[in-house]
Amino acid sequence: QVQLVESGGGVVQPGKSLRLSCAASGFTFSNYGMHWVRQAPGKGLEWVAVVWYDGNNKHYADSVRGRFTISRDNSKNMVSLQMSSLRPEDTAVYYCAKDIADCTSGACYAHLDYWGQGIQVTVSS
Amino acid sequence: DIQMTQSPSTLSASVGARVTITCRASQSINTYLAWYQQKPGKAPKLLIYKASTLETGVPSRFSGSGSGTEFTLSISSLQPDDFATYYCQQYYSHWTFGQGTKLEIK
Repeated sequence: QVQLVESGGGVVQPGKSLRLSCAASGFTFSNYGMHWVRQAPGKGLEWVAVVWYDGNNKHYADSVRGRFTISRDNSKNMVSLQMSSLRPEDTAVYYCAKDIADCTSGACYAHLDYWGQGIQVTVSS
Repeated sequence: DIQMTQSPSTLSASVGARVTITCRASQSINTYLAWYQQKPGKAPKLLIYKASTLETGVPSRFSGSGSGTEFTLSISSLQPDDFATYYCQQYYSHWTFGQGTKLEIK
């Protein structure tokens, strides 16, 4: 069965960096895009970043572009999120999620089908 | 960027009732819309994708419809396990979530 397990969260001061990791199992990792989605306390879901199955394409939300970097290691079935210049508004539970693409129309459109349990990141002095 | 707007933000209903949640996109997204259910302290769970396709294992009392800019999620006969927060998400152009609809017990 698909399992996604996040690690690396914690409390960090504003302006500092933190690296989240997500270990994947139960599927052919190198065939699927991987995402990070976050949820601030008491708020809704916010999509953060995606890395394509081969690691060659990455996209970011405007709120994190230039500060966060998503990467993957297909040999280790791992996806990571390097977070720099952290701000209090980055405080959230961070989820990694696997996508599945529908390419029947010629272009591909991918929704998120499995999620990790989430990990807390708190940015505070 | 495509914006997603859900209504209502909160919905109170009784066990056995039928409820409908609406999601509107700021521009056409064809049928590239998913619905998720989230319970407190838990990860979201995929219910429906491609606007109306039920994910494997999801009860048939859940259904989705719509295309273009207007979509609905319906639950035909509410069960106690259904009280949760529901999110729509477009995946036509990157990914954007609606703000969520909290379904409460009346």
